[in-house]
Amino acid sequence: GENVEQHPSTLSVQEGDSAVIKCTYSDSASNYFPWYKQELGKRPQLIIDIRSNVGEKKDQRIAVTLNKTAKHFSLHITETQPEDSAVYFCAPSLPGRRALTFGSGTRLQVQP
Amino acid sequence: DARVTQTPRHKVTEMGQEVTMRCQPILGHNTVFWYRQTMMQGLELLAYFRNRAPLDDSGMPKDRFSAEMPDATLATLKIQPSEPRDSAVYFCASGLDRDRGVGRRGETQYFGPGTRLLVL
Repeated sequence: GENVEQHPSTLSVQEGDSAVIKCTYSDSASNYFPWYKQELGKRPQLIIDIRSNVGEKKDQRIAVTLNKTAKHFSLHITETQPEDSAVYFCAPSLPGRRALTFGSGTRLQVQP
Repeated sequence: DARVTQTPRHKVTEMGQEVTMRCQPILGHNTVFWYRQTMMQGLELLAYFRNRAPLDDSGMPKDRFSAEMPDATLATLKIQPSEPRDSAVYFCASGLDRDRGVGRRGETQYFGPGTRLLVL
């Protein structure tokens, strides 16, 4: 099965700074790379995803970059705000496999 | 704004009792997933259905857990008998699988609010 690692496990930044979370996966056949955000006591929600034929995708303050050769993809959040405080999960998936294998999560704390 | 719903939201029970959790996927979605979340193990897949057929339940303890989809609007997860180690948040998620080829790609999964289970 897919082995997924996320780094760092916790991240504290000052409001307005940038945050970067990295996800490393083991199976080079993976072709779908989503990031989910989970606020305390809430459900996970997709915030951005990328497919293997694209190297980078942006959505306002959030971006995801993919390095298929190195088998990792990263979440970038710019101009962080307190409401960005949450746990972020990566979940790379293989072709034909719909179920997600989640990373262990990164707890992001944005200090006002 | 269509959402996945789950009932109950909270459940406290005693060891040995049966627990049934229900999920209503978003209308029109054809994939349903059950995940369990604990501090120690994180988010783990328990079972996965496509067009109501079970495709993967390898993450589920078969001796006590069972997952079914009686119809397209209802998915159930049962634990019998429950044990303290089953205490966790159980999430249901649904999605729409449009691809039919061998190299199908993932689609967005929409999570329900979860059922917080405590087994004493």
